[in-house]
Amino acid sequence: ETGVTQSPTHLIKTRGQQVTLRCSSQSGHNTVSWYQQALGQGPQFIFQYYREEENGRGNFPPRFSGLQFPNYSSELNVNALELDDSALYLCASSGGGGRYNEQFFGPGTRLTVL
Amino acid sequence: AQTVTQSQPEMSVQEAETVTLSCTYDTSESDYYLFWYKQPPSRQMILVIRQEAYKQQNATENRFSVNFQKAAKSFSLKISDSQLGDAAMYFCAYRSAQGGSEKLVFGKGTKLTVNP
Repeated sequence: ETGVTQSPTHLIKTRGQQVTLRCSSQSGHNTVSWYQQALGQGPQFIFQYYREEENGRGNFPPRFSGLQFPNYSSELNVNALELDDSALYLCASSGGGGRYNEQFFGPGTRLTVL
Repeated sequence: AQTVTQSQPEMSVQEAETVTLSCTYDTSESDYYLFWYKQPPSRQMILVIRQEAYKQQNATENRFSVNFQKAAKSFSLKISDSQLGDAAMYFCAYRSAQGGSEKLVFGKGTKLTVNP
């Protein structure tokens, strides 16, 4: 069974650019959540996708957007990058649909905005 | 809105000793989950232990146990017989059991150092 994978591992962008981060969910999982973890902080919830539909969003501006594909993999897109967007971006997948489903995290993508 | 507070930015423990990490949370809900996650330098978040709010019995996973005080909104993690591999950032997290979202609310974390 393949775990949650994320690409790329590291990324450097400049202010104003756009970036796309990718997440492959664990086999059998239909829910993907994205988190932003700034240096020295706990992760903050960006949004969640369940069966290709957004199912909850945190306090992030519209320039943070996402997609979930029929195979349940997901993308996080960030437009007009700002210096404060520099962070570790984590995705987590889960089975979805029940009372409780454990979220399994990927290793993250480290984004640096210069 | 729910909040999670970890008041100990750093803790240290001697190998084989016991350490307790503290966490408090705020919520108006009665049905929720609480978690402790471990994040080693490899960055991958790993679930250590889970507690369901409606269960009075404290959760235990091998050397890890919690002290869940629902009325006080306190959720501490005890690590017994600490090992060098326990060194990591530890995050306390909250999740509502109501609604369809699986959003986790995390604290700021406690960095645990294990001294040989």
